[in-house]
Amino acid sequence: QSALTQPASVSGSPGQSITLSCTGTSSDVGGYNYVSWYQQHPGKAPKLMIYDVSNRPSGVSNRFSGSKSGNTASLTISGLQAEDEADYYCSSYTSSVVFGGGTKLTVL
Amino acid sequence: QVQLVESGGGVVQPGRSLRLSCAASGFTFSRYGMHWVRQAPGKGLEWVAVISYDGSRKYYGDSAKGRFTISRDNSKNTLYLQMNSLRPEDTAVYYCAKDEMATLDYWGQGTLVTVSS
Repeated sequence: QSALTQPASVSGSPGQSITLSCTGTSSDVGGYNYVSWYQQHPGKAPKLMIYDVSNRPSGVSNRFSGSKSGNTASLTISGLQAEDEADYYCSSYTSSVVFGGGTKLTVL
Repeated sequence: QVQLVESGGGVVQPGRSLRLSCAASGFTFSRYGMHWVRQAPGKGLEWVAVISYDGSRKYYGDSAKGRFTISRDNSKNTLYLQMNSLRPEDTAVYYCAKDEMATLDYWGQGTLVTVSS
């Protein structure tokens, strides 16, 4: 399986909304609703933010939301905060797991 | 609360072997599949392998096939990754993660493996 495609970097100002994209194929993102998003701060372990395309685990802020259209999944962060600055990875899970290359989010 | 603690990393010469462990607590280990994921320095996440709750099914990423073996001991609440014929490109932080219905919901803090002569 090839890695999912994510933009290398995205930036936004505090209070803004930003959307990160994750593009795959009909064999992964487009074919199943098993898309997850992970947040990773420098030197830390990844943290699950969204699962099954649009579900938030308990404890994750409702500023984070997920969606999917065709072969592209999206993570939207509303009311951007300084603490949201991190790397974000999408993944698709079929019989194996494939990650995107990651997007570095900078809060200006 | 769920805790996953990896160990066994270190510096190893190319061609040698290493076994990583992941001690689990805070949940019923024997009911969940488990993953290994790695991250090379400055790079993204790369999935390594998954094992079913009872150890009967195992799947590997392309970089691990034929060299790495995932296993588990449910009596010890421990996950393992046996890595053979190590190469410099295997240098990475190795994370274990718990599987919850097609997502990786909890991750350990990782253990660093450095393959160098």
